[in-house]
Amino acid sequence: SQWGEENLQALSIQEGEDVTMNCSYKTYTTVVQWYRQKSGKGPAQLILIRSNEREKRSGRLRATLDTSSQSSSLSITGTLATDTAVYFCAPDRGSALGRLHFGAGTQLIVIP
Amino acid sequence: EAAVTQSPRNKVAVTGGKVTLSCNQTNNHNNMYWYRQDTGHGLRLIHYSYGAGSTEKGDIPDGYKASRPSQENFSLILELATPSQTSVYFCASGGQGGSAETLYFGSGTRLTVL
Repeated sequence: SQWGEENLQALSIQEGEDVTMNCSYKTYTTVVQWYRQKSGKGPAQLILIRSNEREKRSGRLRATLDTSSQSSSLSITGTLATDTAVYFCAPDRGSALGRLHFGAGTQLIVIP
Repeated sequence: EAAVTQSPRNKVAVTGGKVTLSCNQTNNHNNMYWYRQDTGHGLRLIHYSYGAGSTEKGDIPDGYKASRPSQENFSLILELATPSQTSVYFCASGGQGGSAETLYFGSGTRLTVL
């Protein structure tokens, strides 16, 4: 996809470990959102980061955005089994294109 | 908490039949979206709307129509369903507009076309 691609499709880690998921895209954007989707549910927003922020934190989450390399990352510290989900990065592409584009997502499995 | 409700939760249809998926939001959001989710493809945008009476084509509109009769309701219509349209469909609403818009998703409709 020209808009957003998570770099790793699946991750399996032990509870308590830290994890970083990466996203890169080919077309310039100034806003990236990260969403989490748990099994059987729709995605829910975790964090939104703008180009002038470079880094944004929310609880155990930390997002970065590097517009020069057109990449974003989402880190989770001290993972819990309840963090098991699919994580999507969604770069904004403007209102004329229906705003957000979702990549294939990264499946994160946290083993208790 | 924003609320988006989809119906039905599950649907089995026959090839060539007409299918209507419904979405209702109680958030008074202007914008509504229909996505489909397939393994390996993530969420792909089918149609979206910026308000009652408006619909816009997304990235994969072929084979789908949309209808936005009111602020609250947004439907996705498959006039002639095909097995390739077997998927999980998600509706979302967003009210802020602009690049900071947060989307609120429903729980999805699983459609199987036989």
